Order: sequence, then C-alpha cells, then structure tokens
Amino acid sequence: AQSVAQPEDQVNVAEGNPLTVKCTYSVSGNPYLFWYVQYPNRGLQFLLKYITGDNLVKGSYGFEAEFNKSQTSFHLKKPSALVSDSALYFCVVNDYKLSFGAGTTVTVRA
Amino acid sequence: EAQVTQNPRYLITVTGKKLTVTCSQNMNHEYMSWYRQDPGLGLRQIYYSMNVEVTDKGDVPEGYKVSRKEKRNFPLILESPSPNQTSLYFCASSFGRLAAPWEQYFGPGTRLTVL
Repeated sequence: AQSVAQPEDQVNVAEGNPLTVKCTYSVSGNPYLFWYVQYPNRGLQFLLKYITGDNLVKGSYGFEAEFNKSQTSFHLKKPSALVSDSALYFCVVNDYKLSFGAGTTVTVRA
Repeated sequence: EAQVTQNPRYLITVTGKKLTVTCSQNMNHEYMSWYRQDPGLGLRQIYYSMNVEVTDKGDVPEGYKVSRKEKRNFPLILESPSPNQTSLYFCASSFGRLAAPWEQYFGPGTRLTVL
C-alpha cells in the first residue's frame, strides 16, 4: 500500500523568509512524487515532480523540492516566500495510483 | 488554450434528484479522472479512465457513475445524490494511459451541495 503524509496542517511565515512544506511517503517501489498548489476558488496547479535522477527538483514560481530516499521525504521549499504564495499545497505520490496528502495551508504575512 | 472545463461550477440540489457534472479536455489526453475534495482528507479519487470505453473504480466510487464514450469527455453521474456527497469535485486529465509519471491538469472544480 502507498500513502503520503503532510505532518503540518498550517505553515505561517513572514514574507522574505524561507518556506518549507513537509511531506513523507510510503511506497513499495520507486515513487513518482509531485507537488500541487491550490489557490482560493481555483483548481490544482502542478508545481514540480520527481521521477528519477537529481534529488533536487526545481519547479514553477521559484519552488524546489528535495527527494530523500533514506528519510522517504519530499519537502517543498522556497528560499524567499511571497504573500502571493499563500495557498493550499498538496504532496502526491504516484506509484500504481495517485494518493494525495491532506494538504498544508501556507500563509505568508506581509 | 489547453484546459479542462467542468460544468456547472456550482450546484445545489435535493436528495435523490439525478444530476450530471460534465468534464471536457482539449489536450487529447488519454487518462481522465474524478476526485472529491473534503476538508482534512485531501483529494480522493472516485473513478478514472485510461481510454475510451475503459473506466475503473478509484478509492470512493460508491454512489457515482462515469462514462467515457469520447476521448475528450468524462461526465460524472450521481443517480440518487445524498447529503454525504456534498463536496468539491475536480476533474483531471493527463497525457499517458497510466497516471504515472504525468502531471495532472485539473478543472476549476464543481461545488455540489445536496440538501
């Protein structure tokens, strides 16, 4: 069975500070890992994915994520957060089917 | 513009009144799926389709039906809606026949309330 966990329901940061959204996963084989973002009253948008290769993946809007096989983690990061990054973020593992984390609400205060 | 469209965007209905939520994509994608989003639960897959006339159950298929008669359309049917189907619904599509490793393109969502 596969699963994905986002241990924090909410993350609050000040604008300009680093942002990290945590994700851990459990799969039997090699995972495909994704991050999606949902802005208020919008559908989900793809941010980035890890398939294979370099453990540091760069994506849209200045986001990046680090794949750590030993810790089974795929944390999303942004060096300097913007108020416009305030949104709901989902970690997704895709082994034989898609499994979504519960989501983390990010609030960036000015 | 490449997109997934859903209609209606908002719907309030009563228990037992059949309804259909349409989904259409213009990207010639093979894979389409339906999800429901509930607070604290993330998105859960209802049904998916790997190709025309090929559909399969996701994690929460009870009370829902789908069909895939054309590649671009994947309607979600609630034959007899109940209040526990009140939720936010998303249609999505992706390039390959399997969900992995392709990113999903999501529609704008349909907020359904069943009274």
